Amino acid sequence: EVQLVEAGGDLVQPGRSLRLSCAASGFIFDDHGMHWVRQVPGKGLEWVAGINWRSDNIVYADSVKDRFTISRDNAKKSLYLQMNRLRTEDTAFYYCVRGDDGSTVTTLDFWGQGTLVTVSS
Amino acid sequence: QSALTQPASVSGSPGQSITISCTATSTQIKTLQFLSWYQQFPGKAPRLIIYEATKRPLGVSDRFSGSKSTPTASLTISGLQADDEADYYCSSYAGGASWVFGGGTKLTVL
Repeated sequence: EVQLVEAGGDLVQPGRSLRLSCAASGFIFDDHGMHWVRQVPGKGLEWVAGINWRSDNIVYADSVKDRFTISRDNAKKSLYLQMNRLRTEDTAFYYCVRGDDGSTVTTLDFWGQGTLVTVSS
Repeated sequence: QSALTQPASVSGSPGQSITISCTATSTQIKTLQFLSWYQQFPGKAPRLIIYEATKRPLGVSDRFSGSKSTPTASLTISGLQADDEADYYCSSYAGGASWVFGGGTKLTVL
């Protein structure tokens, strides 16, 4: 059974940092590109960042570029999102999402349950 | 304003069919490459129900179908059931390995 389990969401002050993680199981992790997608509670979905299977193609949404860093550790079957200089508008559920092949340009086919990041003073 | 426009809400009665549209408003995504549809229940993660505009993943009911006539894609749910009531989002590749989502459509089963 495919599972993606996010962790690391918390309440944090503006300007601070937070690191999210996503533990994958039930599939061959390094066969798949991975993404982070976020959702403000009660609002729509926003793609945040994507990384291909060998971490040599990494892309960010303009809204998080130069503040967030996506990375992965294939040996640990884990995906990460380092979030720096957090803003109140970064408050959202963050979903770890699998791509259906190793690239970043493919269907986003399976979603974790999400972890809530709240940025507030 | 999302580059993919969906109606905010649609409704239908049990047994009826409904269609949700998704229209690209940006020339960059008018081909609607890798067009997907997701279903999301309150408090739950999105679930893929249609990919590449017309294909259904294993395990998704054949009451869900997709079509595309660029710059618009459509999701049709036939034989509407009470437990189809959810939010539905379309998504498309936006170039430069980035992705865009529609604003979402709330389906109400009357």
